[in-house]
Amino acid sequence: AQSVSQHNHHVILSEAASLELGCNYSYGGTVNLFWYVQYPGQHLQLLLKYFSGDPLVKGIKGFEAEFIKSKFSFNLRKPSVQWSDTAEYFCAVTSGSARQLTFGSGTQLTVLP
Amino acid sequence: KAGVTQTPRYLIKTRGQQVTLSCSPISGHRSVSWYQQTPGQGLQFLFEYFSETQRNKGNFPGRFSGRQFSNSRSEMNVSTLELGDSALYLCASSSDGTYGNTIYFGEGSWLTVV
Repeated sequence: AQSVSQHNHHVILSEAASLELGCNYSYGGTVNLFWYVQYPGQHLQLLLKYFSGDPLVKGIKGFEAEFIKSKFSFNLRKPSVQWSDTAEYFCAVTSGSARQLTFGSGTQLTVLP
Repeated sequence: KAGVTQTPRYLIKTRGQQVTLSCSPISGHRSVSWYQQTPGQGLQFLFEYFSETQRNKGNFPGRFSGRQFSNSRSEMNVSTLELGDSALYLCASSSDGTYGNTIYFGEGSWLTVV
């Protein structure tokens, strides 16, 4: 069975700091990878996705993620965070014949003004 | 284009009762899936429907059931509610649910069981 690990449960940064959130998955075959964000009181929104091709994908709001197949990783990055980036971030994967998302446990990001 | 719509947004039920939650997918989307979100267990897959047929099911007891109608709208039902069923229930839709399709989420239905 596939699984997703997010190593950081809570990250606190000051505005303008750089962000990197870790995500590792366990599955030996082809995967589709996603990052979703959940702002306080709002629904899950898609930040970015990787299906194939260029392993560096860019998403909304200045976020990007890099798929490193050899490390089974899909880390999320942003060069300079803003207070409005305060939210919970979820890494998720679909793989093989599975049509459902398997989510990581989430990382709560708090950006201090 | 309207997003995934879920009703009701908030509800409170008593232990032992049953509840039905409704989901309207994005127009043109035929795959609807349901997830449960709790602080302790995170986001867990419940089931997925396509063309009125359940295609996938997560590891939940039989008290959790669902169905999909010919217009792709979906409902999920939880019978004999337990305190541990208190959660945010999320509906998601994708065009046909095949591998490689993006999955979009609704705002969720907050269920509190007392």
